[in-house]
Amino acid sequence: EAQVTQNPRYLITVTGKKLTVTCSQNMNHEYMSWYRQDPGLGLRQIYYSMNVEVTDKGDVPEGYKVSRKEKRNFPLILESPSPNQTSLYFCASSWDSLNSPLHFGNGTRLTVT
Amino acid sequence: GESVGLHLPTLSVQEGDNSIINCAYSNSASDYFIWYKQESGKGPQFIIDIRSNMDKRQGQRVTVLLNKTVKHLSLQIAATQPGDSAVYFCAEAGTALIFGKGTTLSVSS
Repeated sequence: EAQVTQNPRYLITVTGKKLTVTCSQNMNHEYMSWYRQDPGLGLRQIYYSMNVEVTDKGDVPEGYKVSRKEKRNFPLILESPSPNQTSLYFCASSWDSLNSPLHFGNGTRLTVT
Repeated sequence: GESVGLHLPTLSVQEGDNSIINCAYSNSASDYFIWYKQESGKGPQFIIDIRSNMDKRQGQRVTVLLNKTVKHLSLQIAATQPGDSAVYFCAEAGTALIFGKGTTLSVSS
């Protein structure tokens, strides 16, 4: 089954404790992206990747890092999480972000205390 | 700046009714439009898309209409069912992919 898999689904952590949210897709998509979703603000892009070893900042990249060492994986790293990073995070992939629909994972709900 | 918005944050319909969800976009250069459905606890799911060289596209129980003159996009759901209850949002793609904030559709039986 074609899918985007994120882990974990839920995560509660404390300020400053480094964490990684994993994302994997099995559709051989070149494009991958991370979004955060907050009430009233909709989906906001954090980082995206057009292909292996190519990553770029989205609209809200501060406090986040990503890597794209393999085509299928695109982990999101929070080196020193803060409470304002409490949010619902989605990973997505597609053939071409501007000409084909995104496939989204089921989300990671992160709480930073 | 560029924005994609929906006219109504919530829409309540009866089971069996037809639903119409609207979206206004601001970038006349956008040439690809997508509708997503997001159910509670899940990620957004692709419903239907349309390119700017078309003004209508039909899927299974869904139709997307594009009016480029007034920069308006709509999603029509025929014979709405309780399982259609979700947040629906549009996205436009031109030089960037921009998401609208969503309309919550509630279907009562």
